[in-house]
Amino acid sequence: EAQVTQNPRYLITVTGKKLTVTCSQNMNHEYMSWYRQDPGLGLRQIYYSMNVEVTDKGDVPEGYKVSRKEKRNFPLILESPSPNQTSLYFCASSLSRGLSSYEQYFGPGTRLTVT
Amino acid sequence: GESVGLHLPTLSVQEGDNSIINCAYSNSASDYFIWYKQESGKGPQFIIDIRSNMDKRQGQRVTVLLNKTVKHLSLQIAATQPGDSAVYFCAELPRGDDKIIFGKGTRLHILP
Repeated sequence: EAQVTQNPRYLITVTGKKLTVTCSQNMNHEYMSWYRQDPGLGLRQIYYSMNVEVTDKGDVPEGYKVSRKEKRNFPLILESPSPNQTSLYFCASSLSRGLSSYEQYFGPGTRLTVT
Repeated sequence: GESVGLHLPTLSVQEGDNSIINCAYSNSASDYFIWYKQESGKGPQFIIDIRSNMDKRQGQRVTVLLNKTVKHLSLQIAATQPGDSAVYFCAELPRGDDKIIFGKGTRLHILP
């Protein structure tokens, strides 16, 4: 089954404790992206990756890191989480950015609470 | 999830009627538009897309209309069903950019 998976689905942590949210897709997609979703603000892009070893900042990259060492995985790293990073996070992937296909497949979401 | 929809405008539609969800986009340079559906507790799901060289595109029970003059996008859902209950987002992709811009969303509530 074609899908994007994220782990963990729920996480409660404390300020300053490094954490990683994993994202994996099995569709051989080139483009992957991380979003956060907050009430009243909609989906905001954190980072994206056009391909392996290529990553770029989105609209709200502060406090986050990503890596793309292999095509299928795109982990989101919070080196020192803060309460303002409490949010619902989505990973997404698509075949490409090009005109031929931009249909993004989203993961199920990770609800993060930082106390 | 559930808390995302708390601050959103809501459209209530009788089951079986047609729904029209509207979206004003921001960038006149956008050349690609997408509608997503997000059910409670799930990630957004692609519904339909349209390019700026088109005014209308139809899918299964859904139609997207694009009015570039007033930067307006609409999603029409025919014969609305209980399973259509969700938050609907429009999104735009400016020409030459790699970052999709999402709208805030509209909650569609189906009345029995």
